[in-house]
Amino acid sequence: EAQVTQNPRYLITVTGKKLTVTCSQNMNHEYMSWYRQDPGLGLRQIYYSMNVEVTDKGDVPEGYKVSRKEKRNFPLILESPSPNQTSLYFCASSPRAGIGNTIYFGEGSWLTVV
Amino acid sequence: QKEVEQNSGPLSVPEGAIASLNCTYSDRGSQSFFWYRQYSGKSPELIMFIYSNGDKEDGRFTAQLNKASQYVSLLIRDSQPSDSATYLCAVNTGNQFYFGTGTSLTVIP
Repeated sequence: EAQVTQNPRYLITVTGKKLTVTCSQNMNHEYMSWYRQDPGLGLRQIYYSMNVEVTDKGDVPEGYKVSRKEKRNFPLILESPSPNQTSLYFCASSPRAGIGNTIYFGEGSWLTVV
Repeated sequence: QKEVEQNSGPLSVPEGAIASLNCTYSDRGSQSFFWYRQYSGKSPELIMFIYSNGDKEDGRFTAQLNKASQYVSLLIRDSQPSDSATYLCAVNTGNQFYFGTGTSLTVIP
């Protein structure tokens, strides 16, 4: 089954404790990205990757890191989480950016930072 | 100015009616336009995409694109209670996808 898988789905952590949210896709997509979704603000892009070893900042990259060492994986790293990073996070992938390419989402990760 | 703007709603329609959802975007260079449905606490699901001016129909859904007016809409015919959700408009501009904040739709039985 074609899918984007992210883990953990639910996490409560404390301020400053490094965490990683993993994301993996099995569709051989070149493009992957991370979003956070907050009430009233919608989906905002954190980082995206056009292909292996190519990553770029989205609209809200502060406090996050990513890497793309393999095509299928795109982990999101919070080096020192803060309460304002409490949010619903989605990983997504697309065959590539550009006309006609749709974006597919993982199931989401609920992150609470206390 | 936001890249993608939608009325937040809520929009309420009776069962069987046509629901009309609207979206405007700011970048004339945007290439592809999408409508997603999102149930509370779930991930967005693609309804349809459009990238040429005019109408595109898929079952009960019709997407309309007017690039001159920078306007995208979604019509849902014969609305069902199961259509009650938040509808997200998304735009592909260059290497990024931008999303509106969504319109909440309630279909009243």
